Amino acid sequence: DVKVTQSSRYLVKRTGEKVFLECVQDMDHENMFWYRQDPGLGLRLIYFSYDVKMKEKGDIPEGYSVSREKKERFSLILESASTNQTSMYLCASSPIPHQETQYFGPGTRLLVL
Amino acid sequence: KQEVTQIPAALSVPEGENLVLNCSFTDSAIYNLQWFRQDPGKGLTSLLLIQSSQREQTSGRLNASLDKSSGRSTLYIAASQPGDSATYLCAVPSGSARQLTFGSGTQLTVLP
Repeated sequence: DVKVTQSSRYLVKRTGEKVFLECVQDMDHENMFWYRQDPGLGLRLIYFSYDVKMKEKGDIPEGYSVSREKKERFSLILESASTNQTSMYLCASSPIPHQETQYFGPGTRLLVL
Repeated sequence: KQEVTQIPAALSVPEGENLVLNCSFTDSAIYNLQWFRQDPGKGLTSLLLIQSSQREQTSGRLNASLDKSSGRSTLYIAASQPGDSATYLCAVPSGSARQLTFGSGTQLTVLP
């Protein structure tokens, strides 16, 4: 079975802190994605990566950056956390994107105070 | 830009009922359509993926249909059970086809 793991289930940070969210997949997938999910707004794509050291902006990249130094690991970075970044963050991975499904991690619920 | 709509936003049914969840999309040039399930506070689990060349897919009590020309998909759940209570989301590839556009989901409650 494909497994996507996220470093934390719950995280509480203070405004202005630098926050790292880590995602690891064990199926050698080329593509990895970071979404945030908010009530009433659904899932929105922040960034995705289709190869090591490659990244593309999604719909809402402002305030975020990403890093993919190894194929299995995709990190989301909040350079200076703000309260409007309080959300559920979901990581996903997939092989060929238009032929296969995306596999999701359990999510990280981030609270920024 | 692809837009995905799910109706209804919430649905409550007694155990044992058959039910239909609806999904519509604006751009019919899609590779496939997927249905996901999300339990409260959890990630998404893929239920069914219908390729553009297919009309429907079945998995156990779930049956998903796809009508590309009309921009619609339905998820049919037979003999619903309390364990089916969750949020169901549909998604289609968009942009460079590397990303998915999701509907806002239907929150299903099956009452025992």
